[in-house]
Amino acid sequence: QQPVQSPQAVILREGEDAVINCSSSKALYSVHWYRQKHGEAPVFLMILLKGGEQKGHDKISASFNEKKQQSSLYLTASQLSYSGTYFCGTEPSGAGSYQLTFGKGTKLSVIP
Amino acid sequence: NAGVTQTPKFRVLKTGQSMTLLCAQDMNHEYMYWYRQDPGMGLRLIHYSVGEGTTAKGEVPDGYNVSRLKKQNFLLGLESAAPSQTSVYFCASTPRPQETQYFGPGTRLLVL
Repeated sequence: QQPVQSPQAVILREGEDAVINCSSSKALYSVHWYRQKHGEAPVFLMILLKGGEQKGHDKISASFNEKKQQSSLYLTASQLSYSGTYFCGTEPSGAGSYQLTFGKGTKLSVIP
Repeated sequence: NAGVTQTPKFRVLKTGQSMTLLCAQDMNHEYMYWYRQDPGMGLRLIHYSVGEGTTAKGEVPDGYNVSRLKKQNFLLGLESAAPSQTSVYFCASTPRPQETQYFGPGTRLLVL
């Protein structure tokens, strides 16, 4: 089952902040965040692991609430280059979990 | 170091025709994945492989077959193409599930 992302779309002016949320109905081991620009492949941003370890981008931060099976991506002081569609991918807890299930995406538009 | 490459970049098929999409990676990654991306649906996993000679079904495997005869290559086959398989197909690889997935540039497939 796909994780649910919110909002579906958001428009920001340069310098404004945004939060993108990702919620799953399953217990999670990790949450991955990717950004995709139009016509391009998704690009890695961040991984959050159960237990609190975080690997990723130094200009974007994220949180992972294991108990609520939720993650949030925080974009501060947005730049034009932040425009794109953001996807969360969730990895369920348990043995043999080798795959990610992606949400439908959040389209972020940053305008001057 | 080319990363992940996909062949072809674009293809038009008629209903009932067959074709094979090739994914190649030069990073010695164990795990490889095939996704399809449709408007508003995010990335959906078709099949994946956890190592040479292994394959497993993902979320939407019907109508597709895969093979991983060599560690660096992951092939996606459509035996009898249908218009519902019109999509953008992405391949990805990773050394382990808790690391970033590296995506190929995508293959645009149109089935008439």
